[in-house]
Amino acid sequence: QQQVKQSPQSLIVQKGGISIINCAYENTAFDYFPWYQQFPGKGPALLIAIRPDVSEKKEGRFTISFNKSAKQFSLHIMDSQPGDSATYFCAARVSGGYQKVTFGTGTKLQVIP
Amino acid sequence: GAVVSQHPSWVICKSGTSVKIECRSLDFQATTMFWYRQFPKQSLMLMATSNEGSKATYEQGVEKDKFLINHASLTLSTLTVTSAHPEDSSFYICSAEDPSYEQYFGPGTRLTVT
Repeated sequence: QQQVKQSPQSLIVQKGGISIINCAYENTAFDYFPWYQQFPGKGPALLIAIRPDVSEKKEGRFTISFNKSAKQFSLHIMDSQPGDSATYFCAARVSGGYQKVTFGTGTKLQVIP
Repeated sequence: GAVVSQHPSWVICKSGTSVKIECRSLDFQATTMFWYRQFPKQSLMLMATSNEGSKATYEQGVEKDKFLINHASLTLSTLTVTSAHPEDSSFYICSAEDPSYEQYFGPGTRLTVT
């Protein structure tokens, strides 16, 4: 019930292409879905987040699509750049304080020139 | 944005010794902080949740006597790895929860036990 499944495990995209990472969750109590970007040797950084009352959220080149009925959400990186090469984690949690974040397994993205 | 720092960024210690890792929220007060452990090429594993002024809540399988957590103020939480062994070598990451319940992660501490 607490799992968040993430795919693919790794992804290679040409510069300028679209990177797509998918996640699925089971716990219907989750109502906050952040995405984190992590560079080697660094902590995760919040990239973008969505709540289930909207189906899409866009911030710059990053877009989250959310399908509440399917319990799935995805991250789209438009015009992918070599600087986007990092590991991306989707996550889910219940809103409010003192709530654990359940992380996906991570996707290592490599954007090649 | 909110900033969380960790100190040290990396530490090497001998087997059997203890090491303390600090996590600080620099520009906000954090009632709740979380400690994670991350093995290479793996996701983050929550170790414990701490509330300022009270005992930490540990996840199943995490030894509370080995990983001592102290959240003594609204801006500081510490994780002490006691009697460290090589298998405790890992990347330890904290996160701090701001008043809007957003969680911000520290840069991590690389612990190597020789």
